[in-house]
Amino acid sequence: QKEVEQDPGPLSVPEGAIVSLNCTYSNSAFQYFMWYRQYSRKGPELLMYTYSSGNKEDGRFTAQVDKSSKYISLFIRDSQPSDSATYLCAMNSGNTGKLIFGQGTTLQVKP
Amino acid sequence: DSGVTQTPKHLITATGQRVTLRCSPRSGDLSVYWYQQSLDQGLQFLIQYYNGEERAKGNILERFSAQQFPDLHSELNLSSLELGDSALYFCASSVEKGTGDNEQFFGPGTRLTVL
Repeated sequence: QKEVEQDPGPLSVPEGAIVSLNCTYSNSAFQYFMWYRQYSRKGPELLMYTYSSGNKEDGRFTAQVDKSSKYISLFIRDSQPSDSATYLCAMNSGNTGKLIFGQGTTLQVKP
Repeated sequence: DSGVTQTPKHLITATGQRVTLRCSPRSGDLSVYWYQQSLDQGLQFLIQYYNGEERAKGNILERFSAQQFPDLHSELNLSSLELGDSALYFCASSVEKGTGDNEQFFGPGTRLTVL
């Protein structure tokens, strides 16, 4: 069993839709949770960074962490075709810099 | 643009050969991380250096080695290359040493093809 599970999709939505992306994890030591966006053949771009449980909002993006359920989510409001990319969740315990990544979810937003 | 630079962008080489990948971190960042991304394994952590010292190690093969120089740039050396080493190799950097606040910023990657 992988430490971090993420549905690879693909997920296809119409422009303007609310997108929900999720990851589950098994290691209760994880304290720091991240979402990265990766366009094809490019480097991952950090979108959201959260510590412990709770919500964090940044523009059209909202990250949620539920440590009791070992479940994290990223919501994208008013999705745009430019949001079409692979979204990777990542997490670590804070003891070292090692990030554990999910497999990534491929999102397509259709005009 | 994250501020992390990697060279070369592409490398094509043959099995058994040795290559060196280079990374320059963002200005002011002391930690450098190396990751490998393949279709079947996803993004996998290889190794981390903080201010010239090895800080953490992942599932890095013995054929692979890395170092961080006094000017903080880092090199990843891959030797005795095999077909399965073909992948995207990313470097990331952060200000901190990897405990606590640890936002990592990724470079554009080096695409390695082993023929």
